[in-house]
Amino acid sequence: SQQGEEDPQALSIQEGENATMNCSYKTSINNLQWYRQNSGRGLVHLILIRSNEREKHSGRLRVTLDTSKKSSSLLITASRAADTASYFCQYSGGGADGLTFGKGTHLIIQP
Amino acid sequence: DAGITQSPRHKVTETGTPVTLRCHQTENHRYMYWYRQDPGHGLRLIHYSYGVKDTDKGEVSDGYSVSRSKTEDFLLTLESATSSQTSVYFCAISETGQGLGPQHFGDGTRLSIL
Repeated sequence: SQQGEEDPQALSIQEGENATMNCSYKTSINNLQWYRQNSGRGLVHLILIRSNEREKHSGRLRVTLDTSKKSSSLLITASRAADTASYFCQYSGGGADGLTFGKGTHLIIQP
Repeated sequence: DAGITQSPRHKVTETGTPVTLRCHQTENHRYMYWYRQDPGHGLRLIHYSYGVKDTDKGEVSDGYSVSRSKTEDFLLTLESATSSQTSVYFCAISETGQGLGPQHFGDGTRLSIL
């Protein structure tokens, strides 16, 4: 399987703390995207980082990409209860239509 | 939110029966996808479409067929449902393929096969 791995599988932190989750993949990629999924809902796109970029910011989100290590990280700063969700990486390369999802990190923000 | 509607939202059926799930979009996006989501596996691609009547297989296509006769509708059919196809099914749309841009997802269909 070309499916990537995310770690940790689950993460519980206090509100206001930073949350970091990681995605590792196995193939060469064109770009990598992060999505959020709230319970019982579809995925929502957060951010896209291209293979020639090393870091990208969007509000409280910071994404890094290290193509030499085939890994990416998503940092959420100053977490809020509303950030409680599952987070998935998706990368292009190796799968049908070139798209593969990681298995996700379940983030719980404790009030 | 992108205009994506999945129907039905919930369905319970018996092994061996045919099942059709519908995805309808109002965004006129070229690409449409069907995924299944299972615990421990994340999302896995079943089939996708890159235009009217143009479809291709994904990672887990066995037991599934699709059709796209209009830009706005993408149908997923289980010809003879099995218990292993119990899952949550998501439709997604995208203006571009190959992950060049974001996908937009419907809210899913929860399918139980008894």
